[in-house]
Amino acid sequence: DIVMTQSPLSLPVTPGEPASISCRSSQSLQQSNGHNYVDWYVQKPGQSPQLLIYLVSNRASGVPDRFSGSGSGTDFTLKISRVEAEDIGVYYCMQALQTPYSFGQGTKLEIK
Amino acid sequence: QVQLLLSGPRLVKPSETLSLICTVSGVSITDYYWSWIRQPAGKGLEWVGRVSPSGNTKYNPSLQTRVTLSRDTSKNEFSLKLYSLTAADTAVYYCVRDGHLVGARWAHEGFDIWGQGTMVAVSS
Repeated sequence: DIVMTQSPLSLPVTPGEPASISCRSSQSLQQSNGHNYVDWYVQKPGQSPQLLIYLVSNRASGVPDRFSGSGSGTDFTLKISRVEAEDIGVYYCMQALQTPYSFGQGTKLEIK
Repeated sequence: QVQLLLSGPRLVKPSETLSLICTVSGVSITDYYWSWIRQPAGKGLEWVGRVSPSGNTKYNPSLQTRVTLSRDTSKNEFSLKLYSLTAADTAVYYCVRDGHLVGARWAHEGFDIWGQGTMVAVSS
């Protein structure tokens, strides 16, 4: 099974400042079609998780452009250009290259 | 607007079977893949399994001997059965949309639609 490792696990951020979350996989997530099968989700307090980004860098519908994803192979990053108070929650990366799909441990973003 | 409505019991006894149904509105289940995810209280997310547009299934090996996914196209719903429950199965269960077919190939665009989640407690 593919193991996904996130860092940091806790991320205090001042509003207006940038934030970055790293996700590393135990094997390459690039398929022969060239796509890397990594998604990012956020779970806001008391809510179901919601999709932020799929296939490394594609923002889901309605996701603000302050969210961006990058990476290839085994190293991936989610960046928030300017954190807002509404961004608090737990952020998860997930690999969809092969079943069983697997998630990172989650990164809790909190406002300083 | 695509919506997933999850129904099922909130409390199940140890050793019994959990049955959850996810009713889909807004699209046909035969046009998409559908997955189940669960989340123990205060913990992370675990993928349980997936059912394809044709009804084929894939399971997490950690649960494979105890889980069955199926679908009812006439009701536009898909379901999960988890057998021989223990306290470790206590979790919030989610149903999600998981990609579609492009030609004969699965096209992944993330778990873009989530059901509301249902907390299931396994306790006597």
